[in-house]
Amino acid sequence: DGGITQSPKYLFRKEGQNVTLSCEQNLNHDAMYWYRQDPGQGLRLIYYSQIVNDFQKGDIAEGYSVSREKKESFPLTVTSAQKNPTAFYLCASTEQPNTEAFFGQGTRLTVV
Amino acid sequence: AQKITQTQPGMFVQEKEAVTLDCTYDTSDPSYGLFWYKQPSSGEMIFLIYQGSYDQQNATEGRYSLNFQKARKSANLVISASQLGDSAMYFCAMRGVLTGGGNKLTFGTGTQLKVEL
Repeated sequence: DGGITQSPKYLFRKEGQNVTLSCEQNLNHDAMYWYRQDPGQGLRLIYYSQIVNDFQKGDIAEGYSVSREKKESFPLTVTSAQKNPTAFYLCASTEQPNTEAFFGQGTRLTVV
Repeated sequence: AQKITQTQPGMFVQEKEAVTLDCTYDTSDPSYGLFWYKQPSSGEMIFLIYQGSYDQQNATEGRYSLNFQKARKSANLVISASQLGDSAMYFCAMRGVLTGGGNKLTFGTGTQLKVEL
């Protein structure tokens, strides 16, 4: 079955550590996105990529980095510069601009 | 800038009844798209229904329908014959154009729906 796979489902990070969240899709979609969700809030865009080897900052990119070396993969690194990283992270992809976004199952990151 | 407003933090509905979840939006783009997503407690986002700004008829998908009132800038989701499995968070979202090209979804804060027996 085609879809988006995020791993791990739960992730714990110590203060000052970088962590990388994985996002893989087999839908052959060009565009991929990373969103952050905090309790009581909607999703906010962190980074997005329209094609391989190209990505752009979203609304809340500070403290995050991404890469897009392959069409299927769009990993997100939460760096130590991100002051409040505890949140639920969702990866998404779209085939065409006017179609719906498909989401992964999410990764819940907790700083301990 | 685009904005989505969902004014109902939580809603209760009895099983088999219909329920309307409110969504208003603001945009200066003449062409836009509106989406509704369902988020169960497991966390994944499930696409429910889409309405384009130029669509003449309101969108319907099974028990879901979208009450689109363009002049009032509202895009309310109507769920008919509610089921216990409909209990979830519901998000309204708008497709917008990104500065660097491409599109993004702007989300509202969501409505938590609880279906009761």
